[in-house]
Amino acid sequence: SQTIHQWPATLVQPVGSPLSLECTVEGTSNPNLYWYRQAAGRGLQLLFYSVGIGQISSEVPQNLSASRPQDRQFILSSKKLLLSDSGFYLCAWSVGGKDNEQFFGPGTRLTVL
Amino acid sequence: AQSVTQPDIHITVSEGASLELRCNYSYGATPYLFWYVQSPGQGLQLLLKYFSGDTLVQGIKGFEAEFKRSQSSFNLRKPSVHWSDAAEYFCAVRGTYKYIFGTGTRLKVLA
Repeated sequence: SQTIHQWPATLVQPVGSPLSLECTVEGTSNPNLYWYRQAAGRGLQLLFYSVGIGQISSEVPQNLSASRPQDRQFILSSKKLLLSDSGFYLCAWSVGGKDNEQFFGPGTRLTVL
Repeated sequence: AQSVTQPDIHITVSEGASLELRCNYSYGATPYLFWYVQSPGQGLQLLLKYFSGDTLVQGIKGFEAEFKRSQSSFNLRKPSVHWSDAAEYFCAVRGTYKYIFGTGTRLKVLA
């Protein structure tokens, strides 16, 4: 069966520090991968998605970047965090046709102080 | 442009009462529609999905949703709400690769 992992679960970082959040998927090949951010009391904002290794589509110009160094690994990064980067970050994957749903990871709670 | 609207930000119901959460979509082609549930501090879990066939779809936890093309709606229903249903609910439509989510409806259940 398929599994998606995210780490860390919780992170507190000072403003201006770097960030690296990792997401890995097990049990499937060539998944589409996604990073979302959820600010307090708001919906899901799609940040990046990837349909293959090295292929990254950015949805919102911002302080963050994403990379996909391996088929089932998706990394969210920042060189210098801003206060506004605080939020709940969710990784998700999907495959194939449009009738296939997304599967979400457990999320990372990021607080920038 | 593709979009999903959930007009109710908060809904409060009593335990045992019926529930309907509204979802309206805008999509040029045949929509592929989903309902997800999110408990506090957790990821999202799929409740049900629609992509063709019977317009009334059954999901997990006793939920169902009805697709109405003429109204561009995909409302989620449950006949009798349990206290454990308190959570946030998201409607979504899938595009080519992206999923467009509504802003969510937070459900509160009164004992």
